[in-house]
Formats: sequence, structure tokens, C-alpha cells
Amino acid sequence: EVQLLQSGGGLIQPGGSLRLSCVASGFTFSHYAMSWVRQAPGKGLEWVSTVSGSGESTFHADSVKGRFTISRDNSKNTLYLQINSLRAEDTAIYYCAKAGSSGNGVYFDMDVWGQGTTVTVSS
Amino acid sequence: DIVMTQSPDSLAVSLGERATINCKSSQSLLYSSKNKNYLAWYQEKPGQPPKLLIYWASSRESGVPDRFSASGSGTDFTLTISSLQAEDVAVYYCQQYYATPFTFGPGTKVDIK
Repeated sequence: EVQLLQSGGGLIQPGGSLRLSCVASGFTFSHYAMSWVRQAPGKGLEWVSTVSGSGESTFHADSVKGRFTISRDNSKNTLYLQINSLRAEDTAIYYCAKAGSSGNGVYFDMDVWGQGTTVTVSS
Repeated sequence: DIVMTQSPDSLAVSLGERATINCKSSQSLLYSSKNKNYLAWYQEKPGQPPKLLIYWASSRESGVPDRFSASGSGTDFTLTISSLQAEDVAVYYCQQYYATPFTFGPGTKVDIK
């Protein structure tokens, strides 16, 4: 069974840092691009970041560029999101998601999602 | 950035009746050389992660009931629930993956009338 198990959320003060993790199982992790998507309280879905299967290519939303870094360790089947300089507006549920198709590139739907992890930025 | 809009914002449909959600993109999502529209539809229920329903604008994900169908090309797309069931109460999002930043529509809330 394809699964994504997330960890790493919590209550963080503004300006703080956090690393989210997403451990994958049930598929050949390195063959698939992976993404992070977030949902602020009462709001819709917002794409955050995507990384190619090899990890060589990364993409970030302008709202997080320079503060968030997506990465992956294919030897550990794990996706990461390093979040720095946290702001109140980063408060959200963060989901990791798997690309719907394997191969090069990142332009795919997201067919499997993690359970979500909550990040709350507050003093 | 590609802007995604959805209509209506919400709708209430009687059980067994049809529900139709529209999605429009600010630029074409059709990649001509591949003849594919880079659009997906997701269903989100409270307390659950989003679930992929449709990819490439009209391909139903495995395990999704066939009462869910989708169509459209270019900039205009539609998700149809042919016979609404109680378990279909949710928020539905369209999303383009044609270009980064990947963008979602604002969502359409579907309820029972």
C-alpha cells in the first residue's frame, strides 16, 4: 500500500524554524516528484513546493521562496520541508503529496497525500 | 501566475440529482504536443487530506465512483457528479499543473439540499 507518513509540526514562535518530514512507502520513491501543499485555517489549498524525483530540481511558491526549502533523501524514502523565518501567515496544515506519474519533470497531479501536520506560528 | 476560478462557490443538490462545478483558468492548460490538459480535481472532506478524483482533465482516478466525471479543454473545465450521494458532501478543488506555481481554485462546497 502506498503511504506517506508525516511528522514534525508544532507550535513555533514567529521567526523560528522547523523541519517537516514525510516518509514514503509502497512505491519507488526516487521515481516520483513530491510536493508540499498547505491549508491555512478556514482557507483553500495552496501549493508550497515541489521537488523532482532525483532531487535536482526544486520549485517554491513566491510566498515562501527564500524561507522554505524542499529536499529529499531517496536513500531514506523521505521528503523534507525546512521552514525558516516563520510568520503568522504560515500557520496551516501542511500536506506532502506524491506525483501521479513517474518520470522526469514535476508537472503531474498529486495522487497520494499524507495525513497532514499542523504548524502554528504564535508567540 | 495562472489564476484558477471556480463557480459556484457553493451549491446544494438533492440526493440523486446532478451537481456541476465549473473551473476556469486564466490561460490554456492544453499542452498541444502531448494533447493533454494539465488539470486535476480533488475532493476534500473535513479532517481528511484531499483526494484525487480526476487527472489530465478527464481521467478518473482508480477507485473513484463512475458518478464522477469531468470534461473540458483549454481554459474551461467541468466536474459533474451525476447522482449525488450523501458521502459526496465535500469541498471540490480544481488545480493546474501546467506551470509553476501550481495553483488551485478557491473551492466549491457541495451540500445536500
